[in-house]
Amino acid sequence: QQQVKQSPQSLIVQKGGISIINCAYENTAFDYFPWYQQFPGKGPALLIAIRPDVSEKKEGRFTISFNKSAKQFSLHIMDSQPGDSATYFCAASRPNNDMRFGAGTRLTVKP
Amino acid sequence: DAMVIQNPRYQVTQFGKPVTLSCSQTLNHNVMYWYQQKSSQAPKLLFHYYDKDFNNEADTPDNFQSRRPNTSFCFLDIRSPGLGDAAMYLCATSPKEGYNEQFFGPGTRLTVL
Repeated sequence: QQQVKQSPQSLIVQKGGISIINCAYENTAFDYFPWYQQFPGKGPALLIAIRPDVSEKKEGRFTISFNKSAKQFSLHIMDSQPGDSATYFCAASRPNNDMRFGAGTRLTVKP
Repeated sequence: DAMVIQNPRYQVTQFGKPVTLSCSQTLNHNVMYWYQQKSSQAPKLLFHYYDKDFNNEADTPDNFQSRRPNTSFCFLDIRSPGLGDAAMYLCATSPKEGYNEQFFGPGTRLTVL
């Protein structure tokens, strides 16, 4: 049973464009929603995270938008750069550290 | 720098030959996790420790075992690797139970011949 659904599976964006990745979850016990960035052959690295008491969080070019009632959240990458090309995973975690990952989105930013 | 270290980075084993992967951390974190990540898939949690308290995921095969002899080290033992066990194995840590953020190591790529 997939607890976190992520889309799209792959995304191609031109340099300078906006990349948008969406996730949806079912379990209302989740209280922490991180996004991880993973380069080939490397472990995932935390990019940005949000808790359900806020609707948006911004760190540099990266923004999470969170819709608690719809049980959806999304990652926006502004001014996308070729160096942003990686696989992005959304995740959702319960207070007991039980974290579930989305299936991942492979982002390619073309120069 | 405090970090999560995994050794080896690449491991090749033969079908049915036991293999051990190791993870060490200098973060002094209480919680340690092992994930399996197959190509183009999300990490899948195998098990985790709160200190020495072991928690196994219901669907983790018996072929996978783990040991945590102290706070800093955690081992993943695959007793009889099959071709389907070829994957990236990721170790992660978290400061304490209830603290959501997880810090990942670089992973060990396991190949089964």
